[in-house]
Amino acid sequence: SQQGEEDPQALSIQEGENATMNCSYKTSINNLQWYRQNSGRGLVHLILIRSNEREKHSGRLRVTLDTSKKSSSLLITASRAADTASYFCATVPSSNDYKLSFGAGTTVTVRA
Amino acid sequence: SQTIHQWPATLVQPVGSPLSLECTVEGTSNPNLYWYRQAAGRGLQLLFYSVGIGQISSEVPQNLSASRPQDRQFILSSKKLLLSDSGFYLCAWRLKGSRVNTEAFFGQGTRLTVV
Repeated sequence: SQQGEEDPQALSIQEGENATMNCSYKTSINNLQWYRQNSGRGLVHLILIRSNEREKHSGRLRVTLDTSKKSSSLLITASRAADTASYFCATVPSSNDYKLSFGAGTTVTVRA
Repeated sequence: SQTIHQWPATLVQPVGSPLSLECTVEGTSNPNLYWYRQAAGRGLQLLFYSVGIGQISSEVPQNLSASRPQDRQFILSSKKLLLSDSGFYLCAWRLKGSRVNTEAFFGQGTRLTVV
């Protein structure tokens, strides 16, 4: 079963705007990760946030984690056309650190 | 540096035919290995993962099986394909052990169409 669920399913924004997507999960985790997938390709890791962290930044990416609400958000600032892709959250559960389960993803379209 | 190879990139197979998809990792040893399936426009479904040679954990009962005959080789198989087996199959690896806070590295995927 999928551990994470992203919201919204799809997002369309203008270049230069910020894009925010959310991820909710069901069980306690060791860490939560965000990935990006360009159409028809493999996934690329973007950022990892540990369960004891609340916020993390990487370039134009900002990730937050609220373990009490079992949710995370990914913010992409000053979006570019090249940011058009699908974004997935993935969780490593506390009960089994070998597993890595993904959500359904958010498809982001950045209009030039 | 580590690399992951997955082949073939595309495959069209008739219903009832066998399947063998192969994934190999270079530049690391004793990784965790994963097979995922992605239906069109959907998320990734974890099918199998392996923590070592011959050790396979199945997440979803289905028409598929996996094997890990060597440390860095992961194979996804089926004896008889169904139409519902169509999808985009992705192989991935992660470091294991005490380093639980590690990301996964993905192959480029195999697009399987069962006709």
